Amino acid sequence: QSVLTQPPSASGTPGQRVTISCSGSSSNIGSHAESWYQQLPGAAPKVLIHGNNGRPSGVPDRFSRSKSGTSASLAISGLQSEDEADYYCAAWDDSLNGWVFGGGTRLTVL
Amino acid sequence: EVQLLESGGGLVQPGGSLRLSCAASGFIFSSYAMSWVRQAPGKGLEWVAGTIGSGSITYHADAVRGRFAISRDNFKNTLTLQMDSLRAEDTAVYYCARWSRDDSNADFFDIWGQGTMVTVSS
Repeated sequence: QSVLTQPPSASGTPGQRVTISCSGSSSNIGSHAESWYQQLPGAAPKVLIHGNNGRPSGVPDRFSRSKSGTSASLAISGLQSEDEADYYCAAWDDSLNGWVFGGGTRLTVL
Repeated sequence: EVQLLESGGGLVQPGGSLRLSCAASGFIFSSYAMSWVRQAPGKGLEWVAGTIGSGSITYHADAVRGRFAISRDNFKNTLTLQMDSLRAEDTAVYYCARWSRDDSNADFFDIWGQGTMVTVSS
């Protein structure tokens, strides 16, 4: 059972907009900005977005994040087949004095 | 090129020990906090341990506290994870990750290694 809660799966068709939620508590998302990671099959995770929608070079602005209280979400607009991957949210947790991850969401592009 | 390269994984019996290393290059190692994150086969990501740039403060997940120890050598640009009293549930790919902070003061893992596999089995 992960401290941050994500839906196990999500799907969409090419060109659609999909969102992936990440629910936490006052000690993690409620106090700290979460970050999002994409993991393609067989590869290491890579950061997608962090802070005030900071994106590493190479990550398109189709990816955005939002946060309200103790919940956050990742939005992917203009869905592409290459977006098919596992997505994780993560945040620092003041109560645990460590990082916590969501359980991950497998995105399928139909 | 900024790079992290893990090594030291392998097969170990329950109760045994293993020492993982992460060689960093392409950046000023001592300026960054670092972490270990693991992923059991077919499962999600789990944070294991972290340390600040100087190495004077360390953090460990409850699941490994007292059994694993993170440390770093800023002269050799190396991050280490000493794993003792290993259990079957420690079987995972272990990733080394650079822990950064952006302009909005948000922390995140911006660089990841390719991972090293640890299998605990008799």
